[in-house]
Amino acid sequence: EVQLVESGGGLVQPGGSLRLSCAASGFTVSTSWMHWVRQAPGMGLVWVSRIKSDGISTTYADSVKGRFTISRDDAKNTVHLQMNSLRAEDTAVYYCTRDGSYSLDLWGQGTLVTVSS
Amino acid sequence: IQLTQSPSSLSASVGDRVTITCRASQGINSYLAWYQQKPGKAPKLLISIASTLESGVPSRFSGSGSGTDFTLTISSLQPEDLATYYCQQLNSSPLTFGGGTKVEIK
Repeated sequence: EVQLVESGGGLVQPGGSLRLSCAASGFTVSTSWMHWVRQAPGMGLVWVSRIKSDGISTTYADSVKGRFTISRDDAKNTVHLQMNSLRAEDTAVYYCTRDGSYSLDLWGQGTLVTVSS
Repeated sequence: IQLTQSPSSLSASVGDRVTITCRASQGINSYLAWYQQKPGKAPKLLISIASTLESGVPSRFSGSGSGTDFTLTISSLQPEDLATYYCQQLNSSPLTFGGGTKVEIK
């Protein structure tokens, strides 16, 4: 079955760090562009970051640039999002998604990150 | 690129034709996708490249438009279409989403 499963969310204090993981099955992340999208409680969808299939080219939303890092572990067929210097406004459900060529065609179930003291 | 969806919410009866619009702040060719998000669930891709229906999506959903103006139409609203619908542009980075349209059933 083709699917994405996120993990690593939880409660963290402001200024803290968290590493999200996205395990893919049924396809190879190294041949796909992968994205993270987040959704604050009761709010809309916001794109966060992308990693291209070369595993090197990455892009970030201005709101997370310099604090978040997207990476890939090809051996584990997994994508990561390292989140540092977390702020209250980073509280959201984080979705891992696959780029299906001008669409995000596969989504994980999401993992909740709560930044609070 | 900013995407403005309208309306932000609507209420319609089963069988009604529903139209949601998405306007881009600059031209995005046809690189627009539509997603459906049911309560408590992850978004699901409905339409890509403005009008290409994703496999398995009911044919009552259709998309049209190019440039700056796009439309998602549900030809005959069904109870299971209760959801929030989002447009997204993939023409240029950063990728952006519209604010969403919440569809309720009367």
